[in-house]
Amino acid sequence: GAGVSQSPSNKVTEKGKDVELRCDPISGHTALYWYRQRLGQGLEFLIYFQGNSAPDKSGLPSDRFSAERTGESVSTLTIQRTQQEDSAVYLCASSRWAGNDQPQHFGDGTRLSIL
Amino acid sequence: DQQVKQNSPSLSVQEGRISILNCDYTNSMFDYFLWYKKYPAEGPTFLISISSIKDKNEDGRFTVFLNKSAKHLSLHIVPSQPGDSAVYFCAATYRNSGNTPLVFGKGTRLSVIA
Repeated sequence: GAGVSQSPSNKVTEKGKDVELRCDPISGHTALYWYRQRLGQGLEFLIYFQGNSAPDKSGLPSDRFSAERTGESVSTLTIQRTQQEDSAVYLCASSRWAGNDQPQHFGDGTRLSIL
Repeated sequence: DQQVKQNSPSLSVQEGRISILNCDYTNSMFDYFLWYKKYPAEGPTFLISISSIKDKNEDGRFTVFLNKSAKHLSLHIVPSQPGDSAVYFCAATYRNSGNTPLVFGKGTRLSVIA
């Protein structure tokens, strides 16, 4: 497709379960970013990939969070042993390369609800 | 500690009038600023950006102004249209040897009333 695609669009799960969120970036985009937006808050940076390496993992809130990327394509964000505070919209973005002059293009997000 | 602040959570404007959305930042290292627009259940879409070497950038009905000494930027939309009703996020970043992520404000919800 033409844009960033994220799946699932909605996920409801019980506390303590693991979840995996998927992001398909725009074809040819080498940089990929994960953000989350909690209710009433701005977007919070989680992790960024240049190709399949992750030079900046500084935003991951705990060791329950991990992400990987295959080549310059799909990325998955995994949250283990989910907690209620993990409830948020998780947004993925991609850009042609990692440069400040390259706008990030966002997917529609995955709305994660932890019961 | 919020580095990018949008102090107005909401704004209502009459159709045809000017909308002014404000943003303040605290990190003096920020040198590139962006505005994103977000509709419900959709991801943010890039609107306009400005580098710190400029104080104004214009694109159609949208103009962004940057006041570095005040660490303040604003987005002007004129004339405002009902389709502009959305949440607007201000974001900032700075250059280093690699890429830095965008730091976002909490957003301002703009309602343009017909």
